[in-house]
Amino acid sequence: NAGVMQNPRHLVRRRGQEARLRCSPMKGHSHVYWYRQLPEEGLKFMVYLQKENIIDESGMPKERFSAEFPKEGPSILRIQQVVRGDSAAYFCASSPPTANYGYTFGSGTRLTVV
Amino acid sequence: RKEVEQDPGPFNVPEGATVAFNCTYSNSASQSFFWYRQDCRKEPKLLMSVYSSGNEDGRFTAQLNRASQYISLLIRDSKLSDSATYLCVVNISPNAGNNRKLIWGLGTSLAVNP
Repeated sequence: NAGVMQNPRHLVRRRGQEARLRCSPMKGHSHVYWYRQLPEEGLKFMVYLQKENIIDESGMPKERFSAEFPKEGPSILRIQQVVRGDSAAYFCASSPPTANYGYTFGSGTRLTVV
Repeated sequence: RKEVEQDPGPFNVPEGATVAFNCTYSNSASQSFFWYRQDCRKEPKLLMSVYSSGNEDGRFTAQLNRASQYISLLIRDSKLSDSATYLCVVNISPNAGNNRKLIWGLGTSLAVNP
């Protein structure tokens, strides 16, 4: 019973390149959440998605960031034209539709922009 | 006032000590509460949910005080392996099944020393 799978674990990009982070939720989970954690800071909510729908993107930066959760395949967090300040750990979490037991997190993707 | 507030610590305690963390929340409509644990450079992991009647899991006890709007976590007989950051999480959605409104504290850092 695989947990939340994120890949890659580590991603290095040069300034101006695109970063694509993938998240496969736990089996039976239809809700996906993306969080960002900057060094020495707390978790910051970015976006909440269900299959083919963005439910809440109030934490997403207005430019360069986008997220999707297609009918088939993993959820993707895309960062275009990365800058040094995008270097962070990006965590994905998933939950079932009606449970109230918190989230299960993936191991995260550590993005380093050089 | 932040929606969820925690003392950042660090708490430095000797092995075997009892340590308690408090967390206050501002929204009286909050429905469910959790404690997560995050080790350095790892993903947060659910430690325990917090129920109105209080609950215990081994050396860990969680309490909820709705009147004063705080939750607590007590760790007895602390071990070196308890060293981590402890995150207080509150669901403020009026529908307890709607997970998207999980609000995260910045965490309390615990270091257990030999």
